[in-house]
Amino acid sequence: NAGVTQTPKFRVLKTGQSMTLLCAQDMNHEYMYWYRQDPGMGLRLIHYSVGEGTTAKGEVPDGYNVSRLKKQNFLLGLESAAPSQTSVYFCASTHPGLYDISAQHFGDGTRLSIL
Amino acid sequence: GQQVMQIPQYQHVQEGEDFTTYCNSSTTLSNIQWYKQRPGGHPVFLIQLVKSGEVKKQKRLTFQFGEAKKNSSLHITATQTTDAGTYFCAGGRPYNAGNMLTFGGGTRLMVKP
Repeated sequence: NAGVTQTPKFRVLKTGQSMTLLCAQDMNHEYMYWYRQDPGMGLRLIHYSVGEGTTAKGEVPDGYNVSRLKKQNFLLGLESAAPSQTSVYFCASTHPGLYDISAQHFGDGTRLSIL
Repeated sequence: GQQVMQIPQYQHVQEGEDFTTYCNSSTTLSNIQWYKQRPGGHPVFLIQLVKSGEVKKQKRLTFQFGEAKKNSSLHITATQTTDAGTYFCAGGRPYNAGNMLTFGGGTRLMVKP
């Protein structure tokens, strides 16, 4: 009964370093999302995917890349970390549907600090 | 682009008092969802509204979707300490490939026992 699992849970990076955040879901959901959450700003969509092998930009994609090689996994990469990318990152997944209940299921988040 | 504004940003209430948070979109929405996030936790889905003027209730929580499908509200009657957390509205756009949501900034509810 794992749902959406994010690794790592915490990470501290130095400016310029790179890293990959992993999101895995076991609900066979088609759609997956990466958000960042900053104080007072809600959740902002970075990138999303509507299926294996497809990705698209969200509201704040600059400085991030993503890949969805397998349906259950969605990876978020930071090529050259900057202090402005210090944030809490959430992955979410859902199934397609316009009028069905398409609730997004969130992971526990990754708290990332860039020094 | 689409913007979703939520007010108030913070609300302190005494246990037993009522609470309301309001959500307004700059564009017409296809649906609106509400989520709750406890401190240190992740957002958890509460409900989805789709129809113009729709009202749904979950025990002490009442959710409304405006007639023009551009605003929504969440009202909690007789708050309890377990209601504390941040409530987010999230709006979906019409013809939205990917079921993308635009989240409001959230209302943090603090309940004093």
